[in-house]
Amino acid sequence: ETGVTQTPRHLVMGMTNKKSLKCEQHLGHNAMYWYKQSAKKPLELMFVYNFKEQTENNSVPSRFSPECPNSSHLFLHLHTLQPEDSALYLCASSQDGDIAGGISNTQYFGPGTRLTVL
Amino acid sequence: AQKITQTQPGMFVQEKEAVTLDCTYDTSDPSYGLFWYKQPSSGEMIFLIYQGSYDQQNATEGRYSLNFQKARKSANLVISASQLGDSAMYFCAMRENQAGTALIFGKGTTLSVSS
Repeated sequence: ETGVTQTPRHLVMGMTNKKSLKCEQHLGHNAMYWYKQSAKKPLELMFVYNFKEQTENNSVPSRFSPECPNSSHLFLHLHTLQPEDSALYLCASSQDGDIAGGISNTQYFGPGTRLTVL
Repeated sequence: AQKITQTQPGMFVQEKEAVTLDCTYDTSDPSYGLFWYKQPSSGEMIFLIYQGSYDQQNATEGRYSLNFQKARKSANLVISASQLGDSAMYFCAMRENQAGTALIFGKGTTLSVSS
């Protein structure tokens, strides 16, 4: 059983479409993350939400728009994407405490959404 | 400069053998955590093991152990008694206390286990 779920698992969209990726965590965590994993590149952090507030935006283009309505749900709204945005999009959650880097801050990932932009 | 370096793009091992996956890191933060994740072809990143910068002993989790050499800034993952199901990508990651919650990942190592 996974504590972090993502839907859809696969998505094919045209450059003019609007779609949304959904992430839900069942672990009672207070922080959620979006990562992008392109072929032959390390995972790239996109957004961080802590207690529903966006705390990091890693210079992500505005065609990606995150939304975190509560500490259990995270969305990534997509519009007018480019073919180079095709990638695996991973959601993660963690319980952030006072000491960063501790094992209690471990991030747990969902299965990802494999996005193809035509 | 890369913060996390994994120099082995691919590793091959036979079942029941042990394998070491290399990871070196670069940080000036005295407080940090090191993580290893496994990513099978299905895509999910599975947390394996954690080592804190102040931990005196090497971390172990079942068949996984972390060879932590702080002075050399290395955190190699050792998998004992490899199994076919261990075939996957393995990522080393670091979280620095001063940098907030972000994880910095290496490029990964592909491990192939054969019978």
